[in-house]
Amino acid sequence: KNEVEQSPQNLTAQEGEFITINCSYSVGISALHWLQQHPGGGIVSLFMLSSGKKKHGRLIATINIQEKHSSLHITASHPRDSAVYICASLTGNQFYFGTGTSLTVIP
Amino acid sequence: DGGITQSPKYLFRKEGQNVTLSCEQNLNHDAMYWYRQDPGQGLRLIYYSQIVNDFQKGDIAEGYSVSREKKESFPLTVTSAQKNPTAFYLCASSIGPGDANEQYFGPGTRLTVT
Repeated sequence: KNEVEQSPQNLTAQEGEFITINCSYSVGISALHWLQQHPGGGIVSLFMLSSGKKKHGRLIATINIQEKHSSLHITASHPRDSAVYICASLTGNQFYFGTGTSLTVIP
Repeated sequence: DGGITQSPKYLFRKEGQNVTLSCEQNLNHDAMYWYRQDPGQGLRLIYYSQIVNDFQKGDIAEGYSVSREKKESFPLTVTSAQKNPTAFYLCASSIGPGDANEQYFGPGTRLTVT
Protein backbone atom coordinates (compact mmCIF):
# COMPACT_ATOMS: atom_id res chain seq x y z
CA LYS A 1 0.00 0.00 0.00
CA ASN A 2 1.25 3.50 -0.82
CA GLU A 3 0.81 6.23 1.78
CA VAL A 4 0.02 9.51 0.04
CA GLU A 5 0.22 12.76 1.95
CA GLN A 6 -0.73 16.22 0.80
CA SER A 7 0.09 19.63 2.20
CA PRO A 8 -1.33 21.97 3.09
CA GLN A 9 -4.77 20.57 4.01
CA ASN A 10 -6.38 23.96 3.59
CA LEU A 11 -5.18 26.99 1.68
CA THR A 12 -6.63 30.48 1.27
CA ALA A 13 -5.15 32.83 -1.30
CA GLN A 14 -5.84 36.23 -2.76
CA GLU A 15 -6.74 36.37 -6.42
CA GLY A 16 -3.59 36.57 -8.52
CA GLU A 17 -1.33 34.73 -6.08
CA PHE A 18 0.94 31.87 -7.09
CA ILE A 19 -0.16 28.66 -5.36
CA THR A 20 1.73 25.46 -4.62
CA ILE A 21 0.20 22.20 -3.39
CA ASN A 22 2.51 19.38 -2.40
CA CYS A 23 2.13 15.61 -2.57
CA SER A 24 4.49 12.96 -1.22
CA TYR A 25 4.21 9.20 -1.39
CA SER A 26 5.92 6.34 0.39
CA VAL A 27 6.77 3.75 -2.27
CA GLY A 28 7.79 3.77 -5.90
CA ILE A 29 5.07 4.52 -8.40
CA SER A 30 4.53 4.29 -12.14
CA ALA A 31 2.58 7.55 -12.36
CA LEU A 32 0.97 10.30 -10.35
CA HIS A 33 -2.48 11.73 -11.00
CA TRP A 34 -3.65 15.24 -10.05
CA LEU A 35 -7.41 15.69 -9.77
CA GLN A 36 -9.76 18.58 -9.02
CA GLN A 37 -12.98 18.08 -7.07
CA HIS A 38 -15.65 20.77 -7.12
CA PRO A 39 -18.15 21.41 -4.30
CA GLY A 40 -20.80 19.31 -5.99
CA GLY A 41 -18.47 16.31 -5.79
CA GLY A 42 -17.55 15.83 -9.43
CA ILE A 43 -13.89 15.03 -10.08
CA VAL A 44 -11.92 16.19 -13.09
CA SER A 45 -8.54 14.86 -14.15
CA LEU A 46 -5.89 17.58 -14.39
CA PHE A 47 -2.63 15.76 -15.07
CA MET A 48 -1.14 12.31 -15.18
CA LEU A 49 2.66 12.30 -15.10
CA SER A 50 5.47 9.86 -14.51
CA SER A 51 8.45 12.20 -14.84
CA GLY A 52 9.42 15.84 -15.27
CA LYS A 53 6.81 18.50 -15.72
CA LYS A 54 3.51 19.13 -17.48
CA LYS A 55 1.74 22.42 -18.12
CA HIS A 56 -1.84 23.19 -19.05
CA GLY A 57 -2.90 26.80 -19.07
CA ARG A 58 -2.19 28.26 -15.63
CA LEU A 59 -1.57 24.85 -14.08
CA ILE A 60 1.83 23.21 -13.82
CA ALA A 61 2.59 19.80 -12.31
CA THR A 62 6.05 18.52 -11.50
CA ILE A 63 7.29 15.23 -10.15
CA ASN A 64 10.59 14.13 -8.62
CA ILE A 65 10.67 10.34 -8.67
CA GLN A 66 13.84 10.07 -6.56
CA GLU A 67 12.37 12.23 -3.81
CA LYS A 68 8.89 10.68 -4.12
CA HIS A 69 7.33 14.12 -4.38
CA SER A 70 5.06 16.01 -6.72
CA SER A 71 3.82 19.60 -6.76
CA LEU A 72 0.88 21.30 -8.40
CA HIS A 73 1.29 24.99 -9.11
CA ILE A 74 -1.40 27.48 -10.07
CA THR A 75 -0.24 30.78 -11.51
CA ALA A 76 -2.38 33.93 -11.38
CA SER A 77 -4.98 32.20 -9.21
CA HIS A 78 -8.66 33.03 -9.73
CA PRO A 79 -11.77 32.44 -7.58
CA ARG A 80 -12.91 29.79 -10.05
CA ASP A 81 -9.83 27.75 -9.02
CA SER A 82 -11.48 27.22 -5.61
CA ALA A 83 -11.84 23.48 -5.23
CA VAL A 84 -10.28 20.45 -3.56
CA TYR A 85 -7.12 19.23 -5.27
CA ILE A 86 -6.31 15.56 -4.89
CA CYS A 87 -3.20 13.62 -5.81
CA ALA A 88 -3.21 9.88 -6.41
CA SER A 89 -0.25 7.57 -6.89
CA LEU A 90 -0.42 4.63 -9.25
CA THR A 91 1.19 1.49 -7.84
CA GLY A 92 0.60 -1.67 -9.81
CA ASN A 93 -2.97 -1.49 -11.02
CA GLN A 94 -4.24 0.57 -8.12
CA PHE A 95 -4.42 4.26 -7.32
CA TYR A 96 -3.85 5.49 -3.75
CA PHE A 97 -5.35 8.85 -2.96
CA GLY A 98 -4.35 11.71 -0.70
CA THR A 99 -6.98 13.38 1.45
CA GLY A 100 -6.94 16.52 -0.68
CA THR A 101 -6.06 20.19 -0.33
CA SER A 102 -9.00 22.55 -0.06
CA LEU A 103 -8.20 25.78 -1.90
CA THR A 104 -10.18 29.00 -1.58
CA VAL A 105 -9.22 31.96 -3.75
CA ILE A 106 -10.63 35.28 -2.55
CA PRO A 107 -11.36 38.03 -5.06
CA ASP B 1 -20.54 13.42 -25.85
CA GLY B 2 -18.57 10.65 -24.21
CA GLY B 3 -18.60 10.32 -20.47
CA ILE B 4 -19.56 8.45 -17.35
CA THR B 5 -22.99 8.66 -15.82
CA GLN B 6 -24.02 7.64 -12.34
CA SER B 7 -27.54 7.53 -11.08
CA PRO B 8 -29.16 8.61 -8.97
CA LYS B 9 -27.27 11.61 -7.59
CA TYR B 10 -28.86 11.21 -4.16
CA LEU B 11 -30.17 7.95 -2.71
CA PHE B 12 -31.86 7.29 0.60
CA ARG B 13 -32.40 3.82 2.04
CA LYS B 14 -33.43 2.20 5.27
CA GLU B 15 -30.93 0.10 7.16
CA GLY B 16 -31.08 -3.56 6.20
CA GLN B 17 -31.95 -2.96 2.55
CA ASN B 18 -29.67 -3.71 -0.36
CA VAL B 19 -29.22 -0.90 -2.87
CA THR B 20 -27.67 -0.84 -6.34
CA LEU B 21 -25.79 2.16 -7.72
CA SER B 22 -25.59 2.54 -11.46
CA CYS B 23 -22.47 3.39 -13.47
CA GLU B 24 -22.45 3.58 -17.26
CA GLN B 25 -19.69 4.76 -19.62
CA ASN B 26 -19.62 5.30 -23.37
CA LEU B 27 -15.89 5.96 -23.60
CA ASN B 28 -15.11 2.41 -24.74
CA HIS B 29 -12.88 1.99 -21.71
CA ASP B 30 -11.88 -1.49 -20.58
CA ALA B 31 -11.24 -0.71 -16.91
CA MET B 32 -13.82 0.50 -14.42
CA TYR B 33 -13.56 1.31 -10.73
CA TRP B 34 -15.74 2.00 -7.70
CA TYR B 35 -14.50 4.28 -4.93
CA ARG B 36 -15.95 5.43 -1.67
CA GLN B 37 -15.25 8.90 -0.26
CA ASP B 38 -15.78 9.79 3.40
CA PRO B 39 -15.15 13.20 5.00
CA GLY B 40 -11.48 13.75 5.81
CA GLN B 41 -10.36 10.61 3.98
CA GLY B 42 -8.95 9.94 0.56
CA LEU B 43 -10.89 7.92 -1.97
CA ARG B 44 -10.76 4.22 -1.20
CA LEU B 45 -11.09 1.47 -3.79
CA ILE B 46 -14.03 -0.90 -3.39
CA TYR B 47 -13.84 -3.00 -6.58
CA TYR B 48 -12.31 -2.72 -10.01
CA SER B 49 -12.76 -4.51 -13.29
CA GLN B 50 -10.18 -4.71 -16.03
CA ILE B 51 -12.34 -6.53 -18.55
CA VAL B 52 -15.89 -7.80 -19.03
CA ASN B 53 -16.88 -10.68 -16.74
CA ASP B 54 -13.88 -10.12 -14.49
CA PHE B 55 -13.46 -8.00 -11.36
CA GLN B 56 -11.19 -7.79 -8.33
CA LYS B 57 -11.69 -6.67 -4.76
CA GLY B 58 -10.17 -3.41 -3.65
CA ASP B 59 -9.17 -2.40 -0.13
CA ILE B 60 -12.72 -2.18 1.28
CA ALA B 61 -14.80 -4.73 -0.64
CA GLU B 62 -16.58 -6.24 2.37
CA GLY B 63 -20.32 -5.61 2.23
CA TYR B 64 -20.29 -4.73 -1.48
CA SER B 65 -20.79 -6.69 -4.69
CA VAL B 66 -20.38 -5.85 -8.39
CA SER B 67 -20.97 -7.31 -11.81
CA ARG B 68 -19.47 -6.57 -15.21
CA GLU B 69 -21.68 -8.23 -17.79
CA LYS B 70 -21.23 -5.46 -20.35
CA LYS B 71 -18.24 -3.25 -21.13
CA GLU B 72 -20.34 -0.13 -20.60
CA SER B 73 -21.83 -0.97 -17.23
CA PHE B 74 -20.41 -1.68 -13.76
CA PRO B 75 -23.17 -1.55 -11.13
CA LEU B 76 -22.33 -1.62 -7.43
CA THR B 77 -24.61 -3.22 -4.85
CA VAL B 78 -24.32 -2.05 -1.27
CA THR B 79 -25.58 -4.94 0.81
CA SER B 80 -27.03 -4.96 4.29
CA ALA B 81 -23.71 -6.46 5.46
CA GLN B 82 -21.93 -3.14 4.89
CA LYS B 83 -21.65 -1.64 8.38
CA ASN B 84 -21.31 2.03 7.42
CA PRO B 85 -22.86 2.46 3.98
CA THR B 86 -23.54 6.20 4.17
CA ALA B 87 -20.92 7.81 1.91
CA PHE B 88 -20.25 9.42 -1.45
CA TYR B 89 -19.65 6.79 -4.14
CA LEU B 90 -17.65 7.53 -7.26
CA CYS B 91 -17.31 5.43 -10.37
CA ALA B 92 -14.35 5.85 -12.71
CA SER B 93 -13.02 4.33 -15.90
CA SER B 94 -9.74 4.25 -17.79
CA ILE B 95 -8.61 2.97 -21.16
CA GLY B 96 -6.88 0.04 -19.53
CA PRO B 97 -5.81 -1.14 -16.10
CA GLY B 98 -3.15 1.02 -14.40
CA ASP B 99 -0.49 1.55 -17.02
CA ALA B 100 -0.40 5.30 -16.55
CA ASN B 101 -3.85 5.71 -18.00
CA GLU B 102 -5.71 8.54 -16.37
CA GLN B 103 -9.06 7.90 -14.78
CA TYR B 104 -12.29 9.64 -15.76
CA PHE B 105 -14.85 10.04 -13.01
CA GLY B 106 -18.62 10.08 -12.91
CA PRO B 107 -20.52 12.74 -10.95
CA GLY B 108 -21.00 10.47 -7.94
CA THR B 109 -23.93 9.14 -5.92
CA ARG B 110 -24.47 10.28 -2.34
CA LEU B 111 -26.00 7.40 -0.39
CA THR B 112 -27.65 7.96 2.97
CA VAL B 113 -28.79 4.98 5.01
CA THR B 114 -30.88 5.55 8.13
